[in-house]
Amino acid sequence: DAKTTQPPSMDCAEGRAANLPCNHSTISGNEYVYWYRQIHSQGPQYIIHGLKNNETNEMASLIITEDRKSSTLILPHATLRDTAVYYCIVRAAYSGAGSYQLTFGKGTKLSVIP
Amino acid sequence: NAGVTQTPKFRILKIGQSMTLQCTQDMNHNYMYWYRQDPGMGLKLIYYSVGAGITDKGEVPNGYNVSRSTTEDFPLRLELAAPSQTSVYFCASKSGLKEDLNTEAFFGQGTRLTVV
Repeated sequence: DAKTTQPPSMDCAEGRAANLPCNHSTISGNEYVYWYRQIHSQGPQYIIHGLKNNETNEMASLIITEDRKSSTLILPHATLRDTAVYYCIVRAAYSGAGSYQLTFGKGTKLSVIP
Repeated sequence: NAGVTQTPKFRILKIGQSMTLQCTQDMNHNYMYWYRQDPGMGLKLIYYSVGAGITDKGEVPNGYNVSRSTTEDFPLRLELAAPSQTSVYFCASKSGLKEDLNTEAFFGQGTRLTVV
């Protein structure tokens, strides 16, 4: 699976959009971009994933560049409850071997400030 | 629908003791995983299973064992606890159906283990 690079920390004012970047320059054609977050002391929570088109759900939007070498997770109106570590993960859609591994890096610690 | 349930939530072990971390899911997921998370670090995969009777090693399997006798349960066993195993352990599950392979993984709330 492709390696990802994220900034270690970011701040965002409450009510503003939080834009979290992720670089995945070695991504392969069949690899998806997934985002999870981990609120302090809790298990990771799925946010969104995409292949090449931009995606939106009730939690966030995912913008993937045309060359797919980077992506941005957007939380449109950040709240204090969005303070968490955000993980960007890249993995193949289907390995064919029956295995599925999520490789977590250190992520980006997002602090939403009142 | 409980999702992924881990027990216990907290445990203190003495060096050399053994214990089993329990994980059960009620979503009929084929894929299950055990991760550990050391302070300030990301998650590291210990073992995973793609179905009952099938397990495989992840990135950091040494010192641990697993079994998968049923679809629902995936216990993690520590035979001889060491201080290096002090960590937070997370269990996760995911649908193994081909049409669901791009869907999300669900995580339990974690077990905080301290070995002294």
